[in-house]
Amino acid sequence: AQSVSQHNHHVILSEAASLELGCNYSYGGTVNLFWYVQYPGQHLQLLLKYFSGDPLVKGIKGFEAEFIKSKFSFNLRKPSVQWSDTAEYFCAVNEGFQKLVFGTGTRLLVSP
Amino acid sequence: GAVVSQHPSRVICKSGTSVKIECRSLDFQATTMFWYRQFPKQSLMLMATSNEGSKATYEQGVEKDKFLINHASLTLSTLTVTSAHPEDSSFYICSAPKGDEGTDTQYFGPGTRLTVL
Repeated sequence: AQSVSQHNHHVILSEAASLELGCNYSYGGTVNLFWYVQYPGQHLQLLLKYFSGDPLVKGIKGFEAEFIKSKFSFNLRKPSVQWSDTAEYFCAVNEGFQKLVFGTGTRLLVSP
Repeated sequence: GAVVSQHPSRVICKSGTSVKIECRSLDFQATTMFWYRQFPKQSLMLMATSNEGSKATYEQGVEKDKFLINHASLTLSTLTVTSAHPEDSSFYICSAPKGDEGTDTQYFGPGTRLTVL
């Protein structure tokens, strides 16, 4: 079965610092990859997704992620974080038709 | 963007009772919806796939007689936790895909916090 690993469970950054959250998946075939964000008290929202084409995908709020097939990775990046980016971030992989497998999540705290 | 709602947002019930949670896609039709369970400080675990007009598909280890799923229409799926026990206390989240087949993006509901006393 597909599995998704997020290596950083908690990340604390100061505003303007750069962010990179790791995500690795296990499946070796064709995959669709997603990053979702859950702000405090809110529901999951899609940040960005990769289906095919350019492996560097740009999402909302200045986030981007790079799909590296050889490393089974889909790391999330942002050059300069803001306090409002404090949230929990989930990497997910599409396993078969529409079914998503989620990583364990990374809690990001950005201090002002 | 697409909107998915859940009702209720919070429910507290006594052990042994049944609880129904509704998931609605408000501005699009969904022949498939997904039900997840999220434990504190853990990730979302897929419980089952709700299929309009047919039986739900349950993930391994999920009791289908305990977690009854009904996909009554193209915009409504319900999850009923039957004979709830304290260990069923959790955060239940539904999602619905919207878009082209095979490349759908999932839209998530706000979740339902179930507490079983």
